Amino acid sequence: GENVEQHPSTLSVQEGDSAVIKCTYSDSASNYFPWYKQELGKGPQLIIDIRSNVGEKKDQRIAVTLNKTAKHFSLHITETQPEDSAVYFCAASGNTGRRALTFGSGTRLQVQP
Amino acid sequence: EAQVTQNPRYLITVTGKKLTVTCSQNMNHEYMSWYRQDPGLGLRQIYYSMNVEVTDKGDVPEGYKVSRKEKRNFPLILESPSPNQTSLYFCASSPTQVADTQYFGPGTRLTVL
Repeated sequence: GENVEQHPSTLSVQEGDSAVIKCTYSDSASNYFPWYKQELGKGPQLIIDIRSNVGEKKDQRIAVTLNKTAKHFSLHITETQPEDSAVYFCAASGNTGRRALTFGSGTRLQVQP
Repeated sequence: EAQVTQNPRYLITVTGKKLTVTCSQNMNHEYMSWYRQDPGLGLRQIYYSMNVEVTDKGDVPEGYKVSRKEKRNFPLILESPSPNQTSLYFCASSPTQVADTQYFGPGTRLTVL
């Protein structure tokens, strides 16, 4: 089955700096790669996603890049703000079998004011 | 408001006492799923359902049951809970039968003594 590894597990940045979180996946058939943000006491919320036919996608201060050859994808947050502090999860899924999301282990991002 | 609801939000129980965690969505979604979240392990899928009366195992189904008698509801049943099922549980739904964007409920924190 699919295996997703996520790094780093914790990340501390100064407000205004950029943050990068990286994930690798094992199943070359995976074709959908979402990123979720989880705030304390809440369920994960989708912030951005990318499909395998696209190499990069941006939405204001966040962007995701995908390298299918190397089987890795990354989340980039620019001009970080204290409200970006949360746990971020990457995930991967394909269109075969049970088509479930396989999640990374999460990255706790702390933005220092 | 479009949402996934779970009840209860917090539950403390004892080993062997059957319990049910309810999940309901008001978005007419086809796909529903249960995950458990444990520190350092991310979210792992327990069971999923692609449509009414269609359910299947995820990565960690042992000790759990589900049913999908109505499109909007997907209860999680622990027939004989054990301490290793102490965890944070999330229900999620998705508009299509593929593992696309998933919308998560607020979570249920379960403690089995």
